[in-house]
Amino acid sequence: EAEVAQSPRYKITEKSQAVAFWCDPISGHATLYWYRQILGQGPELLVQFQDESVVDDSQLPKDRFSAERLKGVDSTLKIQPAELGDSAMYLCASSWWAQGDEQFFGPGTRLTVL
Amino acid sequence: GENVEQHPSTLSVQEGDSAVIKCTYSDSASNYFPWYKQELGKRPQLIIDIRSNVGEKKDQRIAVTLNKTAKHFSLHITETQPEDSAVYFCAARPNQAGTALIFGKGTTLSVSS
Repeated sequence: EAEVAQSPRYKITEKSQAVAFWCDPISGHATLYWYRQILGQGPELLVQFQDESVVDDSQLPKDRFSAERLKGVDSTLKIQPAELGDSAMYLCASSWWAQGDEQFFGPGTRLTVL
Repeated sequence: GENVEQHPSTLSVQEGDSAVIKCTYSDSASNYFPWYKQELGKRPQLIIDIRSNVGEKKDQRIAVTLNKTAKHFSLHITETQPEDSAVYFCAARPNQAGTALIFGKGTTLSVSS
């Protein structure tokens, strides 16, 4: 069964350093989401792509976060510089299209900022 | 924008009992309501979902009900088993093009044998 892939699974960094996360959605899924999940809470959307275009980045802290999906397939989320408050699980999800129903989640990247 | 409230935050039941988790949403235009199960250290996985044109949906031991008038939906798990222990999240999708899911804060379900 096809799954969303993410790497790395765990990342420990010091504040002010740069980090990058990678996501490979299920083949053929046009819509890709990056969510942030703080411990004890539900996922919150950071950015959504439809193919290579950003559909919603209203909750993305653009002064330090950036995301791209250059060829409309895999995606990278970057944080520079990382802050202590960025420690969280970063989840990638994909679906067939924006109004398609089921979103399939990747295993996530657990980020710890020291 | 849409807001989803989920209760309770923790729920402990004995094996074989039923468990009910409730969510309310604020945007009457929301049209899709999934429930995800997340085991410790694992990815969220869809366990059941319901669309706004349906009042109830069942899949073996789990069921979801939707009351559009009251803007709330509930997850029902019958004959609970220890492997049902996990964090459960409800979510709602506003009916606007290109919108993502809005999640509740989660319910930690513990089933003791």
